[in-house]
Amino acid sequence: EPEVTQTPSHQVTQMGQEVILRCVPISNHLYFYWYRQILGQKVEFLVSFYNNEISEKSEIFDDQFSVERPDGSNFTLKIRSTKLEDSAMYFCASGKLAQGTDTQYFGPGTRLTVL
Amino acid sequence: AQKITQTQPGMFVQEKEAVTLDCTYDTSDPSYGLFWYKQPSSGEMIFLIYQGSYDQQNATEGRYSLNFQKARKSANLVISASQLGDSAMYFCAMRGVQGGSEKLVFGKGTKLTVNP
Repeated sequence: EPEVTQTPSHQVTQMGQEVILRCVPISNHLYFYWYRQILGQKVEFLVSFYNNEISEKSEIFDDQFSVERPDGSNFTLKIRSTKLEDSAMYFCASGKLAQGTDTQYFGPGTRLTVL
Repeated sequence: AQKITQTQPGMFVQEKEAVTLDCTYDTSDPSYGLFWYKQPSSGEMIFLIYQGSYDQQNATEGRYSLNFQKARKSANLVISASQLGDSAMYFCAMRGVQGGSEKLVFGKGTKLTVNP
């Protein structure tokens, strides 16, 4: 069964450093998403991406964040200058459609720790 | 704006018994989807079940069923014949069909513990 994959599973970085989180969505999906979950809190939407551009973003997704689909398979989230409060689990998700009836399938997550 | 409320921070159930996890929602969208995800201690988010706002019947997927009461704006997850492996966090989420928003909005989750 196809699944979303994410690398690395755990990333530790120093405050102020840049990190890139990588995702491989399900191959026939067209819509891609990043969510984050601060420890013990609920999952929060960051950004959605379709046809090589951002289609929606939350207020969390400020200028420090960027997304890219550098090739036909990878989908990346870059944080330019990490802050302590960026420590969280980051989930990539993908879906076939952008409509509410469509299920978003999540990857296993990348746990980011900023020291 | 859409909002999901899960009022049970934690629930306990005996193995083989059924358990209901509560979820209420608020939205102005005339059409929407409701989802439940399971998050084991390992951290991944596993899709369990989906209910469309216009679906005539309650959704079922194996041991999972969704008790959808549209007038009350509730979408409770029922797990029948609980197993030890069901111990996890459970998140209710929703998404509008119209209005242009693609994002899932999540509740705070319920931690389910299945006792042997």
